[in-house]
Amino acid sequence: AQKVTQAQTEISVVEKEDVTLDCVYETRDTTYYLFWYKQPPSGELVFLIRRNSFDEQNEISGRYSWNFQKSTSSFNFTITASQVVDSAVYFCALSEAGSGYSTLTFGKGTMLLVSP
Amino acid sequence: AAGVIQSPRHLIKEKRETATLKCYPIPRHDTVYWYQQGPGQDPQFLISFYEKMQSDKGSIPDRFSAQQFSDYHSELNMSSLELGDSALYFCASSSRFKSGGALYEQYFGPGTRLTVT
Repeated sequence: AQKVTQAQTEISVVEKEDVTLDCVYETRDTTYYLFWYKQPPSGELVFLIRRNSFDEQNEISGRYSWNFQKSTSSFNFTITASQVVDSAVYFCALSEAGSGYSTLTFGKGTMLLVSP
Repeated sequence: AAGVIQSPRHLIKEKRETATLKCYPIPRHDTVYWYQQGPGQDPQFLISFYEKMQSDKGSIPDRFSAQQFSDYHSELNMSSLELGDSALYFCASSSRFKSGGALYEQYFGPGTRLTVT
């Protein structure tokens, strides 16, 4: 069973629009970490955020914000006033205490295309 | 700040050849991970090492082997290469102790793009 689901394969927006990338996860562990990574066309994986399962406080970092809701097993990512440079594939990932946090399980990714 | 170093960045091999990818973790990091990302796919975990011992194993083919050396760098050896091995290979490192950075947070290298022809 897929542990991390990113239902949106591709999203296209126009610059300055707000966009939300969805992430739903599945785990039996009560302790886990959730992550978001950005992969621009150059290929590297850029770390964006890590969230502990016990910390449901939403976080804002500039134009980025994250909404973590354990009740719905979701960890959604919103970009406000999107820019062309935000165009990339975004991955949500899960790391579980049961595996000793030894692996990251990624979702299939959401490709975000921001046009001028 | 020092990051994870991977070499080479690009590698072209022919079918049935062998390839060796190298990874140099962030200083004081004790755990190294290898991931394989095929075209248009998400990264898939291959194998990890903690303190030079294999700690976890994912979907790594038998044709592949890896190890972590005394200086903590790691090498992924790939033999009898197949066209399907063409992918981006990421190495990541982390620390089980806060002195090495955020606990368990994996820092990724830039990747090695392997093309098998």
